[in-house]
Amino acid sequence: AQSVTQLDSHVSVSEGTPVLLRCNYSSSYSPSLFWYVQHPNKGLQLLLKYTSAATLVKGINGFEAEFKKSETSFHLTKPSAHMSDAAEYFCVVSRQKTSYDKVIFGPGTSLSVIP
Amino acid sequence: NAGVTQTPKFRVLKTGQSMTLLCAQDMNHEYMYWYRQDPGMGLRLIHYSVGEGTTAKGEVPDGYNVSRLKKQNFLLGLESAAPSQTSVYFCASSRGGRGNTIYFGEGSWLTVV
Repeated sequence: AQSVTQLDSHVSVSEGTPVLLRCNYSSSYSPSLFWYVQHPNKGLQLLLKYTSAATLVKGINGFEAEFKKSETSFHLTKPSAHMSDAAEYFCVVSRQKTSYDKVIFGPGTSLSVIP
Repeated sequence: NAGVTQTPKFRVLKTGQSMTLLCAQDMNHEYMYWYRQDPGMGLRLIHYSVGEGTTAKGEVPDGYNVSRLKKQNFLLGLESAAPSQTSVYFCASSRGGRGNTIYFGEGSWLTVV
């Protein structure tokens, strides 16, 4: 069975400080992993994805994530937070095959950025 | 680039009324999905389609029906709306296949009173 745990429902950082959003997954198969961002009253936008190539994945807007199989983690980081980063972030795991029903969304982490 | 377009964006319904949400994608994607998003529950899959003329149930299909008569369109119907169906609805599409990105529409806010 697959599942996704986002360890923090809410994270607050000061502008210019690093961001760490944590995600742990469980999957019986080699997963594909994604981070999506949702700004208020908007749809979800892909930040980055891991599909078994390089374990350190770079995404848009300066975000990156590292796939650590031994820790079953895919934490999202950014060196310096910007006010525009305030949003909801979703970690998503999907099974290697094409079945839709193996796409699992985490509950989300709300990021606040303090001026 | 339109991507995934949903209409309407906002709607208020009375209990028992029916309505249809329309989703259109211009990326020639095979897979299309309808999700609902509720506070603290993330996104839950309602129905999905892996190609024109096909539909299947997701996690929370009760009270909803769907149709995919054309590849680019995926309709979500509520036959008899209930207050429990008050939610934000997202349509999405993808090529299908390993690691393919799912592209989302901007959401439809539905309130059932």
